[in-house]
Amino acid sequence: GENVEQHPSTLSVQEGDSAVIKCTYSDSASNYFPWYKQELGKGPQLIIDIRSNVGEKKDQRIAVTLNKTAKHFSLHITETQPEDSAVYFCAASRDASGTYKYIFGTGTRLKVLA
Amino acid sequence: DAGVIQSPRHEVTEMGQEVTLRCKPISGHDYLFWYRQTMMRGLELLIYFNNNVPIDDSGMPEDRFSAKMPNASFSTLKIQPSEPRDSAVYFCASRLQGSGNTIYFGEGSWLTVV
Repeated sequence: GENVEQHPSTLSVQEGDSAVIKCTYSDSASNYFPWYKQELGKGPQLIIDIRSNVGEKKDQRIAVTLNKTAKHFSLHITETQPEDSAVYFCAASRDASGTYKYIFGTGTRLKVLA
Repeated sequence: DAGVIQSPRHEVTEMGQEVTLRCKPISGHDYLFWYRQTMMRGLELLIYFNNNVPIDDSGMPEDRFSAKMPNASFSTLKIQPSEPRDSAVYFCASRLQGSGNTIYFGEGSWLTVV
């Protein structure tokens, strides 16, 4: 069935360093890839997304890259800050399928050490 | 701008009791989703509605779970009878078709069944 693999499950970085989280999806029809950040006790919040017609997207310190051939996409956070500490989820979806079903990765717990 | 509102935020109940979780989606949104989050299984889609009509309930674990959406501004997820393995965080989320594919999550209902 459809699945999304996410690595690593935990990631610790020093403040100011970069963090990279990688996801691989199985459904070749997926064409929408959002990333969510979940802080302790909160619901997931969208931080950035990318569609399959784009290879890279940036928003300040956050960027996402997509390789459709290899079916993987990555989240890059530069100049990390303590407030970046959270659990990050990737997801894949068939945008135009009508089902709007997201397949989520298992999450990455990011710790930014001050 | 109110987001997705869920209640209760925390619930502790005894095995066998009925549990009702409530959700108010973002005003005007036409899709509503119920997700369950556990350490073992991550974020799972239980059911989703479009214009108050259930579209896909294939994620509902068993007959003990039921969901309704009597109108555009209210939905319930009911578990009867509850079991300890139902302990999880239950998220409601909503989306507006035509606004991209962004799903907005509520803050979750933390359920513990003892």
